[in-house]
Amino acid sequence: AQSVAQPEDQVKVAEGNPLTVKCTYSVSGNPYLFWYVQYPNRGLQFLLKYITGDNLVKGSYGFEAEFNKSQTSFHLKKPSALVSDSALYFCAVSPGSNDYKLSFGAGTTVTVRA
Amino acid sequence: NAGVTQTPKFQVLKTGQSMTLQCAQDMNHNSMYWYRQDPGMGLRLIYYSASEGTTDKGEVPNGYNVSRLNKREFSLRLESAAPSQTSVYFCASSEVRAGGNQPQHFGDGTRLSIL
Repeated sequence: AQSVAQPEDQVKVAEGNPLTVKCTYSVSGNPYLFWYVQYPNRGLQFLLKYITGDNLVKGSYGFEAEFNKSQTSFHLKKPSALVSDSALYFCAVSPGSNDYKLSFGAGTTVTVRA
Repeated sequence: NAGVTQTPKFQVLKTGQSMTLQCAQDMNHNSMYWYRQDPGMGLRLIYYSASEGTTDKGEVPNGYNVSRLNKREFSLRLESAAPSQTSVYFCASSEVRAGGNQPQHFGDGTRLSIL
């Protein structure tokens, strides 16, 4: 069975500073990894995914994530955070191309202060 | 540009009542999903439908039933609601494409309280 851990419940940064949201995963086989963002009273929105290829994945709104197979990590990053990036972020994993079920982490609340 | 539409947005039930949550997508996606979101627990899969005519249990199916009415619609039914089913429910859909999982598209949720 697959699982995802997001070790930080909250991350707080100042606007303009780098933002990192951590994610580690456990899955048999090659993982399919995703990041989603949730704004208050809304559904989840897709940010980016890793399936294969380049370990650095670029996504929406200036976010990127780095896949590290040896550390089983998929950390989300943004070089310069904005106040509008304040939201709840979820990492998710599925075990393969024929298994569509996602397992989500518990989420990390990001607060960017002006 | 509707995407995934869920109805109702809010509902309050009494213990033992039944209810059906509705979900429809207009993106011609094959796969649809129902999740529940509880504080500190992320999203947990209740049921999913890989394609029209098929449904399968997810991580937390007890107390729920689903119907894939057609390609667009996937409903979730609570036959006898319990306070433990107080949650925010999300429907999602995704297309099936060779070469890997495609991102899921989510509705804005149904906030369900059971007294």
